[in-house]
Amino acid sequence: EDKVVQSPLSLVVHEGDTVTLNCSYEVTNFRSLLWYKQEKKAPTFLFMLTSSGIEKKSGRLSSILDKKELFSILNITATQTGDSAVYLCAVELGAGSYQLTFGKGTKLSVIP
Amino acid sequence: DAGVTQSPTHLIKTRGQHVTLRCSPISGHKSVSWYQQVLGQGPQFIFQYYEKEERGRGNFPDRFSARQFPNYSSELNVNALLLGDSALYLCASSLFGQGAGGYTFGSGTRLTVV
Repeated sequence: EDKVVQSPLSLVVHEGDTVTLNCSYEVTNFRSLLWYKQEKKAPTFLFMLTSSGIEKKSGRLSSILDKKELFSILNITATQTGDSAVYLCAVELGAGSYQLTFGKGTKLSVIP
Repeated sequence: DAGVTQSPTHLIKTRGQHVTLRCSPISGHKSVSWYQQVLGQGPQFIFQYYEKEERGRGNFPDRFSARQFPNYSSELNVNALLLGDSALYLCASSLFGQGAGGYTFGSGTRLTVV
């Protein structure tokens, strides 16, 4: 059974802290790994990772994939209260049915 | 450009009723996927449609069905509603069957079954 596990499930930090969110996976037919931020309803796209060892960056956020050890991390530096959200990791499966298998998410709370 | 549009935004139904949820993908996107998100969990895959054909089905009972229309919009139908069907139903559109351009989610339909 395809599985995506995120840790921690929740995290409380102070503004300015740096956080690392973890995502490990065990799936057949891996195609890509995606990170989303969900504040209220619609998950918003952050990164898509397909190759090992290549860091993707967007402002204070960055992510990297390790296809040998089957995990990814999402880093957020200099956190702000606006970073408070649930961060979802999803693995896209290939081979005809391009579905996303999600983890349970990490709820990040940034306090002033 | 309009994003992914879902309707209605909220819905309250009684056990045993049926419901139809609607999704309009981003213009030019040919694939629509449906996900169910129960409170405190990640979204769970229900269906994917690409070019009006079902390309994938998740582990949901036959009470769940969907279709995609010639304009690429989609409907998700759920019959004989159960309390456990209460969830946020998300629609995601992508350019092709695979998410080469990423999957864009709508704001969802919050379904409450009482």
